[in-house]
Amino acid sequence: DVKVTQSSRYLVKRTGEKVFLECVQDMDHENMFWYRQDPGLGLRLIYFSYDVKMKEKGDIPEGYSVSREKKERFSLILESASTNQTSMYLCASSFWGSSNQPQHFGDGTRLSIL
Amino acid sequence: AQKVTQAQTEISVVEKEDVTLDCVYETRDTTYYLFWYKQPPSGELVFLIRRNSFDEQNEISGRYSWNFQKSTSSFNFTITASQVVDSAVYFCALSEAGTGNQFYFGTGTSLTVIP
Repeated sequence: DVKVTQSSRYLVKRTGEKVFLECVQDMDHENMFWYRQDPGLGLRLIYFSYDVKMKEKGDIPEGYSVSREKKERFSLILESASTNQTSMYLCASSFWGSSNQPQHFGDGTRLSIL
Repeated sequence: AQKVTQAQTEISVVEKEDVTLDCVYETRDTTYYLFWYKQPPSGELVFLIRRNSFDEQNEISGRYSWNFQKSTSSFNFTITASQVVDSAVYFCALSEAGTGNQFYFGTGTSLTVIP
């Protein structure tokens, strides 16, 4: 079974802090994704990556950056956290290539910015 | 424009009732893929099914069934004889060929099954 592991289930940080959310997958997937989930808005794509050191902006990249130094790990960085970044963050991974590959998700991180 | 629309925000049913979750999509591609995911209260999205645009056969898996109709751009999900464990948020998603496996998600339908 594919395992996508997010480093924290719950996280509380303060405004202005630099926040790191970590995601690791164990299936040698090329693609990795970061989403945020908010009530009524569904899942919105923040950033994604097709390969090590590659990144692409999603629909809502402002205020975020990412890092992919190793194939299995994809980090989401909030450079200076703000209260409007309080949300559920979901990481996913999939095989590269055809668009028919399902994405596999982690358990999510509930981030609160105070 | 929203590529995937799940018009039902919340649905409540009594246990053992049948329930259908609607999904309408929009794409100009001839090759695309549709997915359904379940998100229980624990948070993890669980993959349920994938359908490609060339296969309009309906699919049944136990109490779950999916109805794909290209003519109406719909990919609806029916749960027969619902159970409390079916309570979750369900998401429909679209992936278009050539987009590198990017997904467009609907806003989700929250299903509550009342015992």
